[in-house]
Amino acid sequence: DIVMTQSPDSLAVSLGERATINCKSSQSVFLTSNNKNYLAWFQQKPGQPPKVVIYWASTRESGVPDRFSGSGSGTDFTLTISSLQAEDVAVYYCQQYYSLPLTFGGGTKVEIK
Amino acid sequence: QVQLQESGPGLVKPSQTLSLTCTVSGGSISSGSYYWSWIRQPAGKGLEWIGRIHTSGRTDYNLSFNSRVTISVDTAKNQFSLNLNSMTAADTAVYYCARGDFYVDFQHWGQGTLVTVSS
Repeated sequence: DIVMTQSPDSLAVSLGERATINCKSSQSVFLTSNNKNYLAWFQQKPGQPPKVVIYWASTRESGVPDRFSGSGSGTDFTLTISSLQAEDVAVYYCQQYYSLPLTFGGGTKVEIK
Repeated sequence: QVQLQESGPGLVKPSQTLSLTCTVSGGSISSGSYYWSWIRQPAGKGLEWIGRIHTSGRTDYNLSFNSRVTISVDTAKNQFSLNLNSMTAADTAVYYCARGDFYVDFQHWGQGTLVTVSS
């Protein structure tokens, strides 16, 4: 199984400041045949199901604000919120879909400082 | 816009089988090329993928469930179902159904249903 490790477990950021979440996979999730990283990011607010924010490691889902961006390749990935807004308070999960079983990181809780 | 809604018992006794149904609206479960998945989340914890069924009928399961899981589709009712047997307290969680495709596995989610295992 591919193990997904996120850091930090939680972070507190001031409104308007940058939030950075890291995700590391135990093996590469990059497929050379199509040049894609099989890595997605989800946002989960309290009492709600997760919502996809980023897929293919760096493609924003339709309707997601452009302050959210994803980067990285292979085994190391980052989700960045360039200017944190109050509505961004949530737990964020990375997920690999390179191989079965599909696996998630442990989550990073983002709060307002 | 496709919508998914989980239904089933909120309480299951230990050793019994959990049966959950996900009703799909806004589209036919048998059209297109999609994955229909079950995911669970214990209270205050992370997400765990249980398994999925493809539009073609092919199933994939998380082997960590040791063959306790079965996922099936009822096209007439536009539903897919999860059966998880030999339930224990460790299976207490919110269970979600979701739809995905080749570029993201979980694009559309149900609201989730809490299942508690207790005698």
